[in-house]
Amino acid sequence: GAVVSQHPSWVICKSGTSVKIECRSLDFQATTMFWYRQFPKQSLMLMATSNEGSKATYEQGVEKDKFLINHASLTLSTLTVTSAHPEDSSFYICSAPARGSTDTQYFGPGTRLTVL
Amino acid sequence: DAKTTQPPSMDCAEGRAANLPCNHSTISGNEYVYWYRQIHSQGPQYIIHGLKNNETNEMASLIITEDRKSSTLILPHATLRDTAVYYCIVRVGLAPLILSGSARQLTFGSGTQLTVLP
Repeated sequence: GAVVSQHPSWVICKSGTSVKIECRSLDFQATTMFWYRQFPKQSLMLMATSNEGSKATYEQGVEKDKFLINHASLTLSTLTVTSAHPEDSSFYICSAPARGSTDTQYFGPGTRLTVL
Repeated sequence: DAKTTQPPSMDCAEGRAANLPCNHSTISGNEYVYWYRQIHSQGPQYIIHGLKNNETNEMASLIITEDRKSSTLILPHATLRDTAVYYCIVRVGLAPLILSGSARQLTFGSGTQLTVLP
C-alpha cells in the first residue's frame, strides 16, 4: 500500500524556537495532505488542509501564523511550528489520500514534539 | 458527515474473534463506512471500508446492516498486536477528482480501545 513518511519522528526544543516537520508521500502524488494534532488520551484533531500550489486551509481556532504550512511539491508538505511553547507539545500526524475511487487515506507515523 | 457512536472500550481474548460495533443511524446514501486503527504512539492505519455490501480483506471483515445504520468490524483471530484504538468514520467517498481540498478530510471520534488479552 501507499506509504507516508514524517521527519523527524520526535523533537525536543526550547520555548520560543521554531520546529519544522516534513510529511512525504513516498510512492504516490498528493495534491492534498492533512495535518492533525493529538494530545495525550485524546483523538486526532484536524488542524489544516495542505494544498499543493495554493494556501493551506486552517480549521477554526488554529492560528495560521503560528502553524505555517507549505506544500512545496506533489510529494512534500511541511508544518512549521513557530515560536513554540510548552502548550504546543503534542503528537503531530499528517495524512494523504491515495488515488482511488474511495479515497482511502494513508497516515504518517507521527512526530512527537516536546517544548521545554 | 454522519456521526458515529462506538463503545469506549472492549476486551478480547487472544485468538478469538473481536467484534467492534459502530452505530451510524444518520448515514446518507453516498457515505461510506471507513475503519481505521491507531496503535499507541503511531499514526492511524487504514483497515477496511464499505458502502452497503459486506467486505473482507486480509486484515478484517466489515459487516454493514441492510439499513446501513450500523456496522461491525470483525478481526477473525485477534492477536496482541491488534491492541489499538479503532475508529469508525462515515464519510462521502467519491473519487479524488470530484472531491477536493478539505472535503476529503477525516473526522475522528473517540473510537474504541480494543485490548487483546493473552
